[in-house]
Amino acid sequence: GQQVMQIPQYQHVQEGEDFTTYCNSSTTLSNIQWYKQRPGGHPVFLIQLVKSGEVKKQKRLTFQFGEAKKNSSLHITATQTTDVGTYFCAGPGDYKLSFGAGTTVTVRA
Amino acid sequence: DAGVIQSPRHEVTEMGQEVTLRCKPISGHDYLFWYRQTMMRGLELLIYFNNNVPIDDSGMPEDRFSAKMPNASFSTLKIQPSEPRDSAVYFCASSFYGTTYNEQFFGPGTRLTVL
Repeated sequence: GQQVMQIPQYQHVQEGEDFTTYCNSSTTLSNIQWYKQRPGGHPVFLIQLVKSGEVKKQKRLTFQFGEAKKNSSLHITATQTTDVGTYFCAGPGDYKLSFGAGTTVTVRA
Repeated sequence: DAGVIQSPRHEVTEMGQEVTLRCKPISGHDYLFWYRQTMMRGLELLIYFNNNVPIDDSGMPEDRFSAKMPNASFSTLKIQPSEPRDSAVYFCASSFYGTTYNEQFFGPGTRLTVL
């Protein structure tokens, strides 16, 4: 079945630094969604990307969908302690989602 | 809106016992999903419903698991008999097809421990 893979699994970041997490699919995705799960919490929807090469920004978060619609990335600038959590990508987005393993982010103050 | 409601929030039971997890989706949503999350396997889709009808249960681990949705505002996931390997966090999520993103709204989860 459809699978999405994420790297890295863990990201330890110094507060104020930037980092990027990547999501890759073996097949073309119609669209891709990103979710964030805080420690002890539940996944919360962040954004959906649909178009090839699409770039969307939410404050310090920048989401990108690859030209071939097989990969996506999330870049966070000037990391803050509020960014702590696990970030999941999920595809293809219509009804049945396949979630990546997630990137768990910890922040050093 | 209260969001997706799940009960109980925590459940501790002994191997062999029956466990029933409950979910109330967001009013008006026509899709309901049951997920299981573990450290080893991540977030797995178990089953999903559309307009109360089960559409895909290919993720249900085995016959010990069953799910029902008797009406638009209630769903249950039952495990009988439970085993220690069923210990996980079980999430219910709902969505409404036709919104801009078809995003899924997750409930707070039920943390199940089977001893």
